[in-house]
Amino acid sequence: KAGVTQTPRYLIKTRGQQVTLSCSPISGHRSVSWYQQTPGQGLQFLFEYFSETQRNKGNFPGRFSGRQFSNSRSEMNVSTLELGDSALYLCASSAYPGQDLLFGQGTRLTVV
Amino acid sequence: SQQGEEDPQALSIQEGENATMNCSYKTSINNLQWYRQNSGRGLVHLILIRSNEREKHSGRLRVTLDTSKKSSSLLITASRAADTASYFCATATISGNNRLAFGKGNQVVVIP
Repeated sequence: KAGVTQTPRYLIKTRGQQVTLSCSPISGHRSVSWYQQTPGQGLQFLFEYFSETQRNKGNFPGRFSGRQFSNSRSEMNVSTLELGDSALYLCASSAYPGQDLLFGQGTRLTVV
Repeated sequence: SQQGEEDPQALSIQEGENATMNCSYKTSINNLQWYRQNSGRGLVHLILIRSNEREKHSGRLRVTLDTSKKSSSLLITASRAADTASYFCATATISGNNRLAFGKGNQVVVIP
């Protein structure tokens, strides 16, 4: 079984730009969660999608958005990038919410 | 906000010794999970323990759960250099709609 695939692996953007990150879950998994990881804040929950519906949303500004497609693939978008958005963005999938998560390798975003 | 809080935050042990980490949480859980992360990569799921379980084993790992104290412990027996990593506990709660909330993690260093 292929693992959770996140693209791209690394990204450098300048302040004010926008970025779209992609996540392909394990085949058969319908739940996708996104986390932001920084040294200071640790793992912060961004969103969770299940069957194309956003089930949960973390405490992030409206610049952070996401969606899930009918094939369970998910994207997250960050608009008007700020320096503080530099982080490792992790996507994880599970068959159903609350079950054990399988994580991708993450996208390392650097905002300069 | 972070649901799980691990203790101790950093641990350095000799190869062959046991490593114990604790995690406390605040609200009622459906399950508690432990994950490992190597050097900024994706997290790897280790064990899931349900709220009605008290102890679970997986290889050299032993997890206990005390719902009356709202705490869990992860024991790694006969540690190896390859166990060097950050270890996170995460909780799935009813109030959180089963989304997984992660603690800040324990850094474990196993010295060969």
